[in-house]
Amino acid sequence: GENVEQHPSTLSVQEGDSAVIKCTYSDSASNYFPWYKQELGKRPQLIIDIRSNVGEKKDQRIAVTLNKTAKHFSLHITETQPEDSAVYFCAAINSGNTPLVFGKGTRLSVIA
Amino acid sequence: DAGVIQSPRHEVTEMGQEVTLRCKPISGHNSLFWYRQTMMRGLELLIYFNNNVPIDDSGMPEDRFSAKMPNASFSTLKIQPSEPRDSAVYFCAIPIAGGSREQYFGPGTRLTVT
Repeated sequence: GENVEQHPSTLSVQEGDSAVIKCTYSDSASNYFPWYKQELGKRPQLIIDIRSNVGEKKDQRIAVTLNKTAKHFSLHITETQPEDSAVYFCAAINSGNTPLVFGKGTRLSVIA
Repeated sequence: DAGVIQSPRHEVTEMGQEVTLRCKPISGHNSLFWYRQTMMRGLELLIYFNNNVPIDDSGMPEDRFSAKMPNASFSTLKIQPSEPRDSAVYFCAIPIAGGSREQYFGPGTRLTVT
């Protein structure tokens, strides 16, 4: 089955700097890679996703890149703000009605 | 609206008691996922249903855990008897309709077993 590894587990950046979180996956059949943000005490919420036919996707300050050959995908947050502080989860999936396989999460702290 | 209602939001119970967690998608869905979140193990899949039928329950820790989905608008996760190590946040999630792969999480139930 699919296995998703996520690094780093914790990340501290100064406000305004960029943050990068990296994930690897094992199943070459996986073709959808969402990123979830979870604020303290709240549910995980989708912030961006990418499909395997696309190499990069951007939405304002966040972007995701995918390298299918290396089975890597990354989340990039630019111009970080304190409200970006949260736990971020990557995930992989190969079918719409099958469960997401999550990475262990990255706790991002943006220091003002 | 892809909303999901979970109840209770918080549950504190004593070891050995039965616990029932409920999930109610606002719009009926034939697929539903139960996840458990702890600091040590992150987000783990417990069980998922397609067409109201359990497809994969390999994530259910042991026989103390059981889940049902009697219809597209309701699912339960039961723990009997509960143990302190069951303390966690339990989320149910549903796939967003319309061909999207997104899974929408309910607000979760925080379970504490003392």
